[in-house]
Amino acid sequence: AQTVTQSQPEMSVQEAETVTLSCTYDTSESNYYLFWYKQPPSRQMILVIRQEAYKQQNATENRFSVNFQKAAKSFSLKISDSQLGDTAMYFCAFGAGTALIFGKGTTLSVSS
Amino acid sequence: NAGVTQTPKFRILKIGQSMTLQCTQDMNHNYMYWYRQDPGMGLKLIYYSVGAGITDKGEVPNGYNVSRSTTEDFPLRLELAAPSQTSVYFCASSYSGDSSGNTIYFGEGSWLTVV
Repeated sequence: AQTVTQSQPEMSVQEAETVTLSCTYDTSESNYYLFWYKQPPSRQMILVIRQEAYKQQNATENRFSVNFQKAAKSFSLKISDSQLGDTAMYFCAFGAGTALIFGKGTTLSVSS
Repeated sequence: NAGVTQTPKFRILKIGQSMTLQCTQDMNHNYMYWYRQDPGMGLKLIYYSVGAGITDKGEVPNGYNVSRSTTEDFPLRLELAAPSQTSVYFCASSYSGDSSGNTIYFGEGSWLTVV
């Protein structure tokens, strides 16, 4: 069975700084996708970034980038130039079948 | 530009009552899902459907039922509500399953409290 582990329950960062959120996963699948979702206090689930496992190149979306280490089964999210609006819970998710498997989340607080 | 619409947004139920959470999507997606999110936790899959007339259990199906009579609608039925079903429920949809990396679109969530 696939599992997703986020080992940092809470993190905090100052505005304009860089922060990295960790995620590890376990699977025997060779073809899969990894995702980071943002959940602000409104509870809406917002897709931040997606990585295809067969692609070597790390995905980037503006200030968000990932460090995908397939052999280590690691998928960290880097947020550069943090903004107050980045305050949210961040979920790492794994997709290889029908539905996503989520980690327990990391609560990120950005302060001024 | 509705996307995935869930109703109601908030509901308080008494133990033993039943209710249906409604979900509809206007993107002609084949796949639809129901997740629940307990406080401080990630989302767990309750049921999913890969098309009209086809449903299957997810990780935590006990106490729930679903049906998919149309492509657009995927209601979640709670029978004999229990305090353990207090949670936020998310409906979601996608064109196909996750092995193709399709974006999953989530509704805004339904907050359910069982007292």
